[in-house]
Amino acid sequence: DTEVTQTPKHLVMGMTNKKSLKCEQHMGHRAMYWYKQKAKKPPELMFVYSYEKLSINESVPSRFSPECPNSSLLNLHLHALQPEDSALYLCASSQLVADTQYFGPGTRLTVL
Amino acid sequence: KQEVTQIPAALSVPEGENLVLNCSFTDSAIYNLQWFRQDPGKGLTSLLLIQSSQREQTSGRLNASLDKSSGRSTLYIAASQPGDSATYLCAALNSGYSTLTFGKGTMLLVSP
Repeated sequence: DTEVTQTPKHLVMGMTNKKSLKCEQHMGHRAMYWYKQKAKKPPELMFVYSYEKLSINESVPSRFSPECPNSSLLNLHLHALQPEDSALYLCASSQLVADTQYFGPGTRLTVL
Repeated sequence: KQEVTQIPAALSVPEGENLVLNCSFTDSAIYNLQWFRQDPGKGLTSLLLIQSSQREQTSGRLNASLDKSSGRSTLYIAASQPGDSATYLCAALNSGYSTLTFGKGTMLLVSP
């Protein structure tokens, strides 16, 4: 089973809302990732969580905060987002950081 | 900073043609190079991963090659089918394992 699941599939939120995106994998992978993808652009790495350590792309604003409750879950908490944060948010996992990454279907986020 | 370029940006071919997608990268100190497929509004599907020590990988009608010294990879698709229509992305993993850098993709349309 090479499945990464993401919920919700679609999310519409106002700039004052707090919401969370959820990502789950049951492949025993040790690394999980969050990417942001704008229309007709490649994915951009936001966060990497591997071996219980979080690595952050320094360009990602603090209104995005990841949380890893256990080795199978990686959540992304959203607070006070801006309309330009509207994008497809992709989660991925891999056995090790250097291995093939398996992507989830994504969450389509719209910020009004 | 690694930069990944894909040529062409878009390609339209009739069914049955063999085709080549190109990917180039500026920093040859990569650990591996991966090819993905993305359908509109969907997540990424891993197609092939080539380790830096390898020259090529094959899966079904797909063959990917890697020439680290020249900073190039190609994805060869044999006997193209309408179901192959998608955006194809290549991504280079740097030797520090910290970032997967994507190209902007080649949008492929295979017409019946």
